Amino acid sequence: GAVVSQHPSWVICKSGTSVKIECRSLDFQATTMFWYRQFPKQSLMLMATSNEGSKATYEQGVEKDKFLINHASLTLSTLTVTSAHPEDSSFYICSAWTSGTETDTQYFGPGTRLTVL
Amino acid sequence: SQQGEEDPQALSIQEGENATMNCSYKTSINNLQWYRQNSGRGLVHLILIRSNEREKHSGRLRVTLDTSKKSSSLLITASRAADTASYFCATPRWGGSARQLTFGSGTQLTVLP
Repeated sequence: GAVVSQHPSWVICKSGTSVKIECRSLDFQATTMFWYRQFPKQSLMLMATSNEGSKATYEQGVEKDKFLINHASLTLSTLTVTSAHPEDSSFYICSAWTSGTETDTQYFGPGTRLTVL
Repeated sequence: SQQGEEDPQALSIQEGENATMNCSYKTSINNLQWYRQNSGRGLVHLILIRSNEREKHSGRLRVTLDTSKKSSSLLITASRAADTASYFCATPRWGGSARQLTFGSGTQLTVLP
């Protein structure tokens, strides 16, 4: 099946610094990539939808200037958490969709655990 | 609020028993999916059932869909310790891109050896 990777798998940073998370589709071209956030013992909450070559669409309540998304190619999307604060500590998961899959099936990365001290 | 709500929130069973999880949703859908998440990992797609299907099987998994009740169930037969994970239902988001999904609250399944 389609493989999506994320890097890093975990990161610890100081408050006020920026962190970049990469999401790559390894064996297919992802038309659309999604970024989710998951707090402990909770479900996934969609943060933004990213289409290659265009601006990301952010969900209500998600600050686009704080969570910068760049989908520069069909195999790579990045999420940068700018000026991170402890409340940004969470599990960030990306997923990718391609026209070769069933309509709404998404392939998920393994997630990135962000801890902000 | 979440489109999908699942129950139970947590389920603990013995190896070999069957596990049933339920998902309810609020709006019309054209399909419903189930995903599995091992602790601290990403999600793995299990099965997709379309709105014109009532039941679908995949190995030890059986999914039902009742569009009149806006509910779905996931049955795992002959459970194994390796089935321990969180299970989420997901539906296409109303009014959004056909590819955007809304996830249910999840059921944490623990299979005891």
